[in-house]
Amino acid sequence: EVQLVQSGAEVKKPGESLRISCKASGYSFTNYWIVWVRQMPGKGLQWMGIINPDNSDTRYSPSFQGQVTISADQSISTSYLQWRSLEASDSGMYYCARRIIGVGADRGGWFDPWGLGTLVTVSS
Amino acid sequence: QSALTQPASVSGSPGQSITISCTGTSRDFGGYNFVSWYQQYPGKAPKVIIYEVSIRPSGVSNRFSGSKSGNTASLTITGLQAEDEADYYCSSYTNSSPLWVFGGGTKVTVL
Repeated sequence: EVQLVQSGAEVKKPGESLRISCKASGYSFTNYWIVWVRQMPGKGLQWMGIINPDNSDTRYSPSFQGQVTISADQSISTSYLQWRSLEASDSGMYYCARRIIGVGADRGGWFDPWGLGTLVTVSS
Repeated sequence: QSALTQPASVSGSPGQSITISCTGTSRDFGGYNFVSWYQQYPGKAPKVIIYEVSIRPSGVSNRFSGSKSGNTASLTITGLQAEDEADYYCSSYTNSSPLWVFGGGTKVTVL
């Protein structure tokens, strides 16, 4: 069974650093890009960025470029989302998902499955 | 503000059909048919129900269908059931930056 297991909820103070994880199982980790999506409380989904675990090629949304770092460790089939200095506005639910593309395609795609999410709360 | 525009809410009675629109620009859709739809129940992770405009993943009810005309994609739910009450998000690959965009989401209520 294909699964993405995300790390547990975090409570942090402004200015602290944080790294959350997304461990893949049930498929070849390097064959599929991993995407990260934010959902702020009561709000919609925001596409943050995507990483190719095979070569660490990473693309960010302009809204998140420079604010977070997405990485991947092939040896343990895990992707990470990292902050150097958290702000209260970083509070929210963070999902990882696997990107799938159609047969013969080299772009586009959809996201399946999704992890259960990691809730990040930043408060003084 | 989301790149793709969806109605905030849509409602219908059991058995009826409803359609959720997802409007963007030609840039948002990137000239491709890489539109997907996601269903999200409260407190749960999203789940894909339509990809590449109109393809249903295995296991998704055939009451869900997708289409696209110009810069508007649509999700139709026929034979509305209580279990369809959820939030629905459209998404599109843009081939620019950001690579993907989501709609603001539509809350479906079954009356």
